[in-house]
Amino acid sequence: KQEVTQIPAALSVPEGENLVLNCSFTDSAIYNLQWFRQDPGKGLTSLLLIQSSQREQTSGRLNASLDKSSGRSTLYIAASQPGDSATYLCALTTGANNLFFGTGTRLTVIP
Amino acid sequence: EAGVAQSPRYKIIEKRQSVAFWCNPISGHATLYWYQQILGQGPKLLIQFQNNGVVDDSQLPKDRFSAERLKGVDSTLKIQPAKLEDSAVYLCASSARVGARTGELFFGEGSRLTVL
Repeated sequence: KQEVTQIPAALSVPEGENLVLNCSFTDSAIYNLQWFRQDPGKGLTSLLLIQSSQREQTSGRLNASLDKSSGRSTLYIAASQPGDSATYLCALTTGANNLFFGTGTRLTVIP
Repeated sequence: EAGVAQSPRYKIIEKRQSVAFWCNPISGHATLYWYQQILGQGPKLLIQFQNNGVVDDSQLPKDRFSAERLKGVDSTLKIQPAKLEDSAVYLCASSARVGARTGELFFGEGSRLTVL
């Protein structure tokens, strides 16, 4: 069974720092991987979607990479801002079309 | 483009009462999901619809939870009777199919349930 892990569970950084969030998975037979942002009391907002054939996707200050062979995806946030404070979740779709979520990393950017 | 709509946003009930949540997916999205998210955890899939047929309901507590998607558009999720451990945010998501696979997921704001 696919297991998705996000470490650390929480992260605090000063404003302006570049940071990396990690997502690990146990089965490399995935179809796509998606990064979401969740603000307190809100639903999930899609940030980036990486297809299994892709290595990375970029949107503004965000860059997501995918390495299926090592079972890892990273979300890179450049020049962090207080508005980036939220919980970030990764979710992947397997070849059997099942969707698995990680438990998330709660990011706090300190002004 | 309108997003996924959910209502109500908040609901407080006592245990053993019933509650219903409504979801309107993005227009044209054939796949609709209901997730349960308990505080501090990632979302857990309750049920997945493809048009108006159930694809996966293996984690739905069928003794108390039910869901339907009539006409392959709107969906309702019902809990009857509610238990304390049902306190959670219920998220609805939709996606367009890409061939036989799931495309990008789009979520609603969620319905927060508190069971007293």
